[in-house]
Amino acid sequence: DAGITQSPRHKVTETGTPVTLRCHQTENHRYMYWYRQDPGHGLRLIHYSYGVKDTDKGEVSDGYSVSRSKTEDFLLTLESATSSQTSVYFCATQTHSYEQYFGPGTRLTVT
Amino acid sequence: EDQVTQSPEALRLQEGESSSLNCSYTVSGLRGLFWYRQDPGKGPEFLFTLYSAGEEKEKERLKATLTKKESFLHITAPKPEDSATYLCAVQPGGNEKLTFGTGTRLTIIP
Repeated sequence: DAGITQSPRHKVTETGTPVTLRCHQTENHRYMYWYRQDPGHGLRLIHYSYGVKDTDKGEVSDGYSVSRSKTEDFLLTLESATSSQTSVYFCATQTHSYEQYFGPGTRLTVT
Repeated sequence: EDQVTQSPEALRLQEGESSSLNCSYTVSGLRGLFWYRQDPGKGPEFLFTLYSAGEEKEKERLKATLTKKESFLHITAPKPEDSATYLCAVQPGGNEKLTFGTGTRLTIIP
């Protein structure tokens, strides 16, 4: 257990509104990740961070941005939410032995 | 491009009936292959890391093995509490990203 919390745990929002999801870790891990999980697609990487203010894109980054101003916090922002972004979002951190540990997830519904 | 294929998609077993889940992969220079367990409504839970062909790891009723092209998760005498979706992922060397398979949904019937 890497001490990862995500907030909110559930959110319903309307199309076109901005949404920010928060991930907080207590283990001081350098690497942090945002994934989305959808039926038939498995877990897909959105963005990841390799240090404060250092981020890079994953395979499904369009429509998403991230920020990391402190080691412990990694924010995911949907700039203008669309129905295709309805999903379950997971945050993860990576240890020195490359194991990734996941948070409990945020279920986002865009109506 | 890294690829991970898991089979079968779903598996139903009687309690005590042993079986294996398969994870086939292609990756440029494997750093590690990872197995996770995911219960409904929860985040994936780390189980094992395998680093090189021939390596094996065990935990309770689970044993993971690795070859150059695939990994197996063997489940011996499973119990209903082993019911979950099992995910496989690979990480290439020099890359901090994981590529996941779509998982095997395992149901153990009492």
